Amino acid sequence: AQTVTQSQPEMSVQEAETVTLSCTYDTSESDYYLFWYKQPPSRQMILVIRQEAYKQQNATENRFSVNFQKAAKSFSLKISDSQLGDAAMYFCAYGFGGTSYGKLTFGQGTILTVHP
Amino acid sequence: AAGVIQSPRHLIKEKRETATLKCYPIPRHDTVYWYQQGPGQDPQFLISFYEKMQSDKGSIPDRFSAQQFSDYHSELNMSSLELGDSALYFCASSQAPGGGRTSTDTQYFGPGTRLTVL
Repeated sequence: AQTVTQSQPEMSVQEAETVTLSCTYDTSESDYYLFWYKQPPSRQMILVIRQEAYKQQNATENRFSVNFQKAAKSFSLKISDSQLGDAAMYFCAYGFGGTSYGKLTFGQGTILTVHP
Repeated sequence: AAGVIQSPRHLIKEKRETATLKCYPIPRHDTVYWYQQGPGQDPQFLISFYEKMQSDKGSIPDRFSAQQFSDYHSELNMSSLELGDSALYFCASSQAPGGGRTSTDTQYFGPGTRLTVL
C-alpha cells in the first residue's frame, strides 16, 4: 500500500521569506501523480501544484515550486515570497496513475504559519 | 470556472438517523470521489465512481452506500449514524484521460459537507 509522510507537523515563516515543506512517499509503482493541496481555515481543499512521476522537470506555479526526487521518493514544496494568505494546512497527496480514476492518499499535513 | 458543488454544507443529525450528501461534479468530469476528514486528520478515501460505475472502494463502513447518477451527480447515503461519523465529507471530481497523457487526472474538491452527529 502507498503511504505518504509529512514529518513537519508545523512550520513558520516570515512574510516575504521562503519556506520548504517536506513530503516522502512509498510506492512500488512507476507511474503516479503527486500533489500539494492547501486547506485554509475555511477547510476548502485547494490544489496548489501537481507533478507527474514520468516528468523529470520540477513543476512550478508562480511562487510555488516542487523538488521532486523520484529515486529518493521525496516531494517537497517551496513557497517563495511568502504571503499572509499562504497560512494554511498543507497536504501532500499521492495518486496512482495506473488507472484513470486513482484515489488520493494524503500525508498527515503541515500547518504553515506566516508571521508579518 | 465552475466548481464542484456539495449540498448541504452543514448537516446535524441524531444518532441512528440517516443522512444523504449530494455532489455535483464539474461539467464534463466523469469521475467522482468521496473522502472523509475527521477533526485534525487528513482526508480518507471512501469510494469513487467512473461513468456511473463504482471504480474503487476504501474504508467505507457497510452502513454507507453511494451511487453516481446518469447526470454524473453522486449521493452518499449514510444510515444508523454514529457519533464517530461526525466529520467533513468532501466530494472531488476529475476527468479521466483519453488515449494519451493529459493533465485531467487532477481531482478538484468541493467545499465539503460538515456532518455533526449528536
